Amino acid sequence: QQPVQSPQAVILREGEDAVINCSSSKALYSVHWYRQKHGEAPVFLMILLKGGEQKGHEKISASFNEKKQQSSLYLTASQLSYSGTYFCGTEGAGGTSYGKLTFGQGTILTVHP
Amino acid sequence: EPEVTQTPSHQVTQMGQEVILRCVPISNHLYFYWYRQILGQKVEFLVSFYNNEISEKSEIFDDQFSVERPDGSNFTLKIRSTKLEDSAMYFCASGSVERGGRRNEQFFGPGTRLTVL
Repeated sequence: QQPVQSPQAVILREGEDAVINCSSSKALYSVHWYRQKHGEAPVFLMILLKGGEQKGHEKISASFNEKKQQSSLYLTASQLSYSGTYFCGTEGAGGTSYGKLTFGQGTILTVHP
Repeated sequence: EPEVTQTPSHQVTQMGQEVILRCVPISNHLYFYWYRQILGQKVEFLVSFYNNEISEKSEIFDDQFSVERPDGSNFTLKIRSTKLEDSAMYFCASGSVERGGRRNEQFFGPGTRLTVL
């Protein structure tokens, strides 16, 4: 079952902040965040692992609530280059998924000057 | 910085023809994946490959699909008899493993746009 992202779309002015949420109905091993620009491949932003470890982009932060199976991506002081579609990909807990990511439907972020 | 590469960037084929999409994962990675994205939709998992065998596959990955790592560097996706609905962007991804088995982030290649006529 795919994770649910909210909001579906966000419009910002440069310098404003945004939060994108990702919620799953099943226990998770990890949450991965990607940004995709039109016609390009998804670009890795952040991975959050069960147990609290996270790795990723310097200017982007995220949280992972393991009990609620929810993750949030925090974009602060947005820049024009932040525009794109943000996907969360979740890996289920249980040790048998071998890294299979199930992606949400995406959040379209548009940053205006 | 190492990256995943894919060829060709665009493949046009007739319905019923076989296609092979090629990927060169990042060299020290151990997990390999194929995903696809139909235009305007989300990214969908097709198959994962670890230790020279398929570790998991989705319902989309039926008997028409196969994967191979023929020479230790390339990772291929073959579609035996393409259908119109196979038209999509196909992404290869690879990921590493830390000591202790913890899986790391997955890096995506630039994709192959497959158009089935």
